[in-house]
Amino acid sequence: GAVVSQHPSRVICKSGTSVKIECRSLDFQATTMFWYRQFPKQSLMLMATSNEGSKATYEQGVEKDKFLINHASLTLSTLTVTSAHPEDSSFYICSARTAFLAVTQYFGPGTRLTVL
Amino acid sequence: QKEVEQDPGPLSVPEGAIVSLNCTYSNSAFQYFMWYRQYSRKGPELLMYTYSSGNKEDGRFTAQVDKSSKYISLFIRDSQPSDSATYLCAMSAGTGNQFYFGTGTSLTVIP
Repeated sequence: GAVVSQHPSRVICKSGTSVKIECRSLDFQATTMFWYRQFPKQSLMLMATSNEGSKATYEQGVEKDKFLINHASLTLSTLTVTSAHPEDSSFYICSARTAFLAVTQYFGPGTRLTVL
Repeated sequence: QKEVEQDPGPLSVPEGAIVSLNCTYSNSAFQYFMWYRQYSRKGPELLMYTYSSGNKEDGRFTAQVDKSSKYISLFIRDSQPSDSATYLCAMSAGTGNQFYFGTGTSLTVIP
C-alpha cells in the first residue's frame, strides 16, 4: 500500500518552455502533497505544500509564479515549471500524506528535469 | 545551526558487517522519527518510523531514539550489497507538522 507515482520520470526540454509533472497517490487519498527538489548528493529541499482544493503554501525563496502547483483532487497534484531555464534542472520529488497516518510521507520515484 | 545533522559519509563496509547510521537534532519538540532509504535516481522509501524514545526492530533493521541526547540511530545487521543506498533521517514535531530531513548518508556494502 501507500504507492505514489510520478510522471514523467525523465524530461528534457528547451529553455523557455514549460514542463508539467504529475504526482498521483495510487491506493490512498492524499490530503496533503509535498513537492521537493533535490540536487546531487544533497538532501531534499521542500518547495511547497499543497492541500486538496486550496492554494499551495510555498517555502521562502521559491517563486510561486514559476513553480505552479495544482492539487485538484485527493489523488493528483501537478507541478508546472514555467519558462524553464538551465538552473531549474534538478530532481523533483513529490510525496503524499494521508489523514489517517498523518505523520509519515510516501514519496514518488522522482522526475529528472534537464533544461537545455 | 541546522535542525538536523547527519554525516554524509560515504560509508563503505564489507558484506555481513553491522552498520550504524546516526542523526542529531536541535529541536526538542520533535516526536516522530523516520528513516528513509533512497537508491540512486529514485525517490526515498520509508524504512522505519518511531514515535518518541525507544527502540524499534524490523528484520535486520533497528531504529533507536534517545530524546535526552537528541540522537537517533539506524542499525543494519548482516548488511547486504542490496543495502547500498543513501539513508535519510527525517523528523517532525507532530501530525501535520513540517518534516526536517538530514542530508543523507551514502552507504556502500562491498560483496
